[in-house]
Amino acid sequence: EDQVTQSPEALRLQEGESSSLNCSYTVSGLRGLFWYRQDPGKGPEFLFTLYSAGEEKEKERLKATLTKKESFLHITAPKPEDSATYLCAVQGGYSGGGADGLTFGKGTHLIIQP
Amino acid sequence: GAGVSQSPRYKVAKRGQDVALRCDPISGHVSLFWYQQALGQGPEFLTYFQNEAQLDKSGLPSDRFFAERPEGSVSTLKIQRTQQEDSAVYLCASSLGGRTDTQYFGPGTRLTVL
Repeated sequence: EDQVTQSPEALRLQEGESSSLNCSYTVSGLRGLFWYRQDPGKGPEFLFTLYSAGEEKEKERLKATLTKKESFLHITAPKPEDSATYLCAVQGGYSGGGADGLTFGKGTHLIIQP
Repeated sequence: GAGVSQSPRYKVAKRGQDVALRCDPISGHVSLFWYQQALGQGPEFLTYFQNEAQLDKSGLPSDRFFAERPEGSVSTLKIQRTQQEDSAVYLCASSLGGRTDTQYFGPGTRLTVL
């Protein structure tokens, strides 16, 4: 069974204070690791897809990296508008008997204070 | 372009009532997914369609839950004889190709069962 664990559960930073969010995963035959951002009352908004260990992707102040066991979402010089819940999800292969949908972690609730 | 839309955005039902939730995927997207998100949790997979075929319904919690996508576009998630534990946000997502493509989410329907 695919599993995703995110840490920390909540993180409060000052504006401009860089940090990283962790996503540890167990999956049979990783087909993709996804990062989403979710604002209150809204659906998850797609950020990145990573497919293989060593891959990195960047978008504005966000950078996602992937190893064989975990992924990190690095936030550089964050702004208050970066406040949101960040969700990590994996898509496994059929060999593990996983469901066809994504397996999500519980998310990290990020607050950036001005 | 237009994203995934869901209706209604909010639904209040009395215990025992039947409800129907609608999802309009992004035009041309082959795959459609339904997820259930409890408060403070990540989304959990319910079911997956490729065109009109329901290929995976392993996440549906009971036989009270039923989903359809008869013409391969709009989908409806129906919950019969609602229970209080059905209260959650129901998210719909679509992807251009198969199950491993990036999923784009709608805003969700918040169901409250009294």
